[in-house]
Parts: sequence; C-alpha cells; structure tokens
Amino acid sequence: TQLLEQSPQFLSIQEGENLTVYCNSSSVFSSLQWYRQEPGEGPVLLVTVVTGGEVKKLKRLTFQFGDARKDSSLHITAAQPGDTGLYLCAGAYTGTASKLTFGTGTRLQVTL
Amino acid sequence: KAGVTQTPRYLIKTRGQQVTLSCSPISGHRSVSWYQQTPGQGLQFLFEYFSETQRNKGNFPGRFSGRQFSNSRSEMNVSTLELGDSALYLCASSLGTPRGGTQYFGPGTRLLVL
Repeated sequence: TQLLEQSPQFLSIQEGENLTVYCNSSSVFSSLQWYRQEPGEGPVLLVTVVTGGEVKKLKRLTFQFGDARKDSSLHITAAQPGDTGLYLCAGAYTGTASKLTFGTGTRLQVTL
Repeated sequence: KAGVTQTPRYLIKTRGQQVTLSCSPISGHRSVSWYQQTPGQGLQFLFEYFSETQRNKGNFPGRFSGRQFSNSRSEMNVSTLELGDSALYLCASSLGTPRGGTQYFGPGTRLLVL
C-alpha cells in the first residue's frame, strides 16, 4: 500500500518554466523529506520539513509542508536542465525517523 | 569524508539462489537502513540496523534478512530468490539519533534474477 501519492508522475518542460510537484497522504508525519535521484545513483536529500505550514527555500526550489503535516509541495522556478531527475518525497513517523515511507515519485525532464 | 559504499554494484542470479549484499556506512554513522526500489512499487523500506540490532522492519517476507557488524557495516541476504526480487537495493546510513538525522544513500546494488 502506497501511503504517499505524488503528482504528476511525469513532467516534461522547457528550460525557464515553473513547476509544482505535490505529495499527498492520509497520514500525519512527524517530518517530510524531499530527495532527488539521478540514474545509477541513490537519492540525495534536498530538504527536511518538520513543522506544519513550514516553507523552506533552496535557491530556485521552494518546499512547503501542509498545516496538518499530511501533504507537501515542491515548486521549482525557472527550471534548468540540471533539475532533471526523479523527485521523491518521504515521510517519517515519530520514533521511527530512519524508516522512511517514500512517495510514488515524479520524473522531471527539463529540455533546452 | 567517504560516502556510503555498496558492493557489488550489479549482480545476476537465477531463481532459487541466494544473494548477499554489502553496505559500508559513512564513518561515525551507526544506523544502516535498507530499501528496495522497483518500477512498480517504488522505494520500500526493508529494515534498519542500529548498533548491531534490528531496530525497525518493513513488510517483507522472512527470505529477506540482514545483519550489522561492530564496525557498522551491514549485509542483507535474500534466500530462495524469485523473479520479483529483481530490483535496485539501496542502503542509507545516518547517525541514528532519536530524531533520526539525515540519511545518506549509497549508489545501490542492481540485482537481476533470471
């Protein structure tokens, strides 16, 4: 059973466009993380959000944790080809921070 | 600081065989978690070891097992391989503190079962 649904599953955009990826769940998480994975590599952590309503910015990436800590979004401004990859959200429950529940993934392709 | 290393990187086995995968965590990290990644099911948690003890376990059959050594290196074993076990197996290490800490993933071992 997949507890974290991401949308869209696939996204192909041109350089300079903006995009938003959504991560939704019926469960409340104590923290939520976003990762990016490139072919042949393991996921790399982008950000961790822990407080409901929290917004974090990482250069052109903006992450938001829902007020109820059940959902999150990732917004990329002016996408670049280097943003291409598989974006994964992952939730952790209190007391089991090393046991992550991963989302279904969003595969992003940014072309010139 | 060296990252998480996994060996081997690629492996081909046949149904019914068993396989052992190895993971060396970042120096100083005491927690090692294992995940299975497949196109159909995505990334799923297998188990976590901390200080040589299994601390958390996912919903996988008993054919999947693991262990951790005193130097925090970890191995996972899959017995009686099935075609559906073909996947990318990822391990992640962290400090393992109560709040978890950042998990750093290795490049994975790609297992193909024929």
